[in-house]
Amino acid sequence: QKEVEQNSGPLSVPEGAIASLNCTYSDRGSQSFFWYRQYSGKSPELIMSIYSNGDKEDGRFTAQLNKASQYVSLLIRDSQPSDSATYLCAVRNPGGYNKLIFGAGTRLAVHP
Amino acid sequence: NAGVTQTPKFQVLKTGQSMTLQCAQDMNHNSMYWYRQDPGMGLRLIYYSASEGTTDKGEVPNGYNVSRLNKREFSLRLESAAPSQTSVYFCASSEVPAGGHETQYFGPGTRLLVL
Repeated sequence: QKEVEQNSGPLSVPEGAIASLNCTYSDRGSQSFFWYRQYSGKSPELIMSIYSNGDKEDGRFTAQLNKASQYVSLLIRDSQPSDSATYLCAVRNPGGYNKLIFGAGTRLAVHP
Repeated sequence: NAGVTQTPKFQVLKTGQSMTLQCAQDMNHNSMYWYRQDPGMGLRLIYYSASEGTTDKGEVPNGYNVSRLNKREFSLRLESAAPSQTSVYFCASSEVPAGGHETQYFGPGTRLLVL
């Protein structure tokens, strides 16, 4: 079992819709969770971080964390074509040097 | 303030050749990282440096060496390149702000092709 799993997609949504991206992780001791956006040919860019159960909102983005289910999600409201990118879920494990474990990413395509 | 910079942007090597990927950050961060990204594999940590003068292995260190030259610079060396090292390499640095959580910032990447 991979430590951080994401559906590779592509997830295709119409402009203006809500895009829902999901991520599960295997280490129950994980404390910090991150969503990075990566445009094709570019480097990852941090868009959201979440550390406690529940929802965290930032503009059109909402991160949701459920530690009991080992599940973290990212909702993008009013999706725009400029949101088309690969979204990487990353989890920080508490052991060792607190490394980030990345999922393989979900490709999102927002069509007009 | 350039953030994290990497050189070169692109490189083609023949099997067995050596090269060094350079990374520098101007954010006064203590921690620096080298990742590789392959299709369908996500980002995998090669080496990291928690502070100047220290380096440690990550998930996939075989075939690589690193040097933390000073607080700003962290280089990755391939001594004898292999086709399996064809990848996109990202350098990152991080800080832990007072009362906050660590955030990693990534450089633009180096695309390496080993023939």
